[in-house]
Amino acid sequence: LAKTTQPISMDSYEGQEVNITCSHNNIATNDYITWYQQFPSQGPRFIIQGYKTKVTNEVASLFIPADRKSSTLSLPRVSLSDTAVYYCLVGPRGTSGTYKYIFGTGTRLKVLA
Amino acid sequence: NAGVTQTPKFQVLKTGQSMTLQCAQDMNHEYMSWYRQDPGMGLRLIHYSVGAGITDQGEVPNGYNVSRSTTEDFPLRLLSAAPSQTSVYFCASSYDGSSYNEQFFGPGTRLTVL
Repeated sequence: LAKTTQPISMDSYEGQEVNITCSHNNIATNDYITWYQQFPSQGPRFIIQGYKTKVTNEVASLFIPADRKSSTLSLPRVSLSDTAVYYCLVGPRGTSGTYKYIFGTGTRLKVLA
Repeated sequence: NAGVTQTPKFQVLKTGQSMTLQCAQDMNHEYMSWYRQDPGMGLRLIHYSVGAGITDQGEVPNGYNVSRSTTEDFPLRLLSAAPSQTSVYFCASSYDGSSYNEQFFGPGTRLTVL
């Protein structure tokens, strides 16, 4: 089953913009790209979703190029509370009629004071 | 609206014991799933369901059973616990399983098998 590929970890300082890129070469025509955030000892929670071009909400922006084989999550002016693991998710994977969502290892973002 | 709830929060088992992890959602979602997350790792799909009476295997189904008799509940059964099943288990649900609909995750069950 095809997976997404992200950097394992990133460090940033408070107030900086952080960009996390995810590669998803086998994305299907109908797939949306969704990013989740996970704090320690909690379940993942939805951050942002997009299909193409750019999407922005109150916490992040998502940039998707025309070929949709990658996407970039942008977190403006990060704070210590943004320290978390970030997952990009596309899918589902598998034959038609299956709904298997495959999370990659995620990107562990550490924000430093 | 409680969202996705999981019980228990913590559980310790001895090797060979069986138990059921409970998951319930009150959002009338058709799609529900179970993931396990080992320390420092990503989430791996165990089983999923696209509606009452319909289940299918995920990436790591061995040693686990599921059933879906109602829309609201999706219990995960460990048949004979092994130390390799020590993990944090997350249940999730979404409207219909399509990638357009976000998944809502429960708070997790931390399981230790001795």
